[in-house]
Amino acid sequence: SAVISQKPSRDICQRGTSLTIQCQVDSQVTMMFWYRQQPGQSLTLIATANQGSEATYESGFVIDKFPISRPNLTFSTLTVSNMSPEDSSIYLCSGMTGGGYGYTFGSGTRLTVV
Amino acid sequence: AQSVSQHNHHVILSEAASLELGCNYSYGGTVNLFWYVQYPGQHLQLLLKYFSGDPLVKGIKGFEAEFIKSKFSFNLRKPSVQWSDTAEYFCAVKGDSGYALNFGKGTSLLVTP
Repeated sequence: SAVISQKPSRDICQRGTSLTIQCQVDSQVTMMFWYRQQPGQSLTLIATANQGSEATYESGFVIDKFPISRPNLTFSTLTVSNMSPEDSSIYLCSGMTGGGYGYTFGSGTRLTVV
Repeated sequence: AQSVSQHNHHVILSEAASLELGCNYSYGGTVNLFWYVQYPGQHLQLLLKYFSGDPLVKGIKGFEAEFIKSKFSFNLRKPSVQWSDTAEYFCAVKGDSGYALNFGKGTSLLVTP
C-alpha cells in the first residue's frame, strides 16, 4: 500500500504566523484528504484536495484559513494561516487508492500555537 | 445527518480478557466500514475493513469485526487482549455520497499486565 511522508512532525508557532504542512506519497493516489485531530477528539475532515483544482472544504473550514495545494497525484500541502491557540491540534493527511478500497495516513503534524 | 458513534471512550482490561468495542453508524445506502488503530506516537494503521460478502471480517493481530446491517453496527472483537494492544481504536465509515472517511470519536484501550 502507499506510504505517506508528512512534514513537519511537530512545530511550535507564534500566533499570527502561518505553517505549511507537506505530504508526499510514494505512489499515485486518486484522492487526498486533510484532517484535524484535536486532543481527545476524533478526526475531523477539513477538506478534500483535488489535483489541479481548488480543494473542497467541509462546513466550518474556509480556504483563506486553510489553503491547500495539490499540484500532482503524489503531493499536497496544507497551510494553517494566521494561527491562534485554537489551531493547536494534530493535522493528518490521507490518501485514497483503488476507488475507496484503501486509505493510508501520514504520521501527523502536532502543532502548538503560543 | 451521517454519523459514526463509538460507545466506549475509555476501556481498561486485564491481559487475556476479551474485548468488544462498539461502533454504530447512521448512513443510508451502501457503506464501507473500517477499524483503525493508533498506537502511542504512531500513525493510523488499518486493522480490518468490510465492503461486502461475509459479514464476519478477520483482520490483523487477531482482531475481527461483525457487520450487522439491521443494527447499523460494526463491532470490533478480540478474544484475548495483550498489553501491546494498548492504543486508540477508531471506527470509520465511507458512505456512497463521497470518498472521505468519517470517523468515530475513538476508544482508548488500556491493557494492564
